[in-house]
Amino acid sequence: GQSLEQPSEVTAVEGAIVQINCTYQTSGFYGLSWYQQHDGGAPTFLSYNALDGLEETGRFSSFLSRSDSYGYLLLQELQMKDSASYFCALSGGGYQKVTFGTGTKLQVIP
Amino acid sequence: GAVVSQHPSWVICKSGTSVKIECRSLDFQATTMFWYRQFPKQSLMLMATSNEGSKATYEQGVEKDKFLINHASLTLSTLTVTSAHPEDSSFYICSAKDRVNRNEAFFGQGTRLTVV
Repeated sequence: GQSLEQPSEVTAVEGAIVQINCTYQTSGFYGLSWYQQHDGGAPTFLSYNALDGLEETGRFSSFLSRSDSYGYLLLQELQMKDSASYFCALSGGGYQKVTFGTGTKLQVIP
Repeated sequence: GAVVSQHPSWVICKSGTSVKIECRSLDFQATTMFWYRQFPKQSLMLMATSNEGSKATYEQGVEKDKFLINHASLTLSTLTVTSAHPEDSSFYICSAKDRVNRNEAFFGQGTRLTVV
């Protein structure tokens, strides 16, 4: 099976940088994705890493180390609207299912 | 990006009745859709994978006779919660991947089901 662990809550100050970690276990790895979900809303895709290293998309960056079964999401220049839950997810190529981590609730404070 | 539309966004039903939730891919063909359930302050739990023209694949512990999935076309999958009970109250979300970008899953708006 697959499992992903994340810290349950993180609090950070507006304008700062925050890192959300994710460790996973899987028998077959294809890629690690990150999704954002605001309360009552649907998840929205943020990033995807299939290879080791850092992927940057605007204020968001995602890192992957396959040898360590570890990844993180880095949010820079935090804004109040970034307050949401963030999920790492194991995803497969093609139409393979997406398995979500435990989720991290980020609270951005003034 | 691709658009997935889910209806209804919320529904209240009486215990013992059935509820149907629709999930449509509006601008792409989805041969596979996924149904998730999310309880408050918890993660999304995959219930089943819906395959066009064939039987759905259910995750362990999910009752296939209670959660009926039909994927009759390339743009529509439905989830029917049969004989609903209060413990079925949850947030149900569908998602799909298109054929071009298979690394990103697109989600419907979700359906908040309350069984009274």
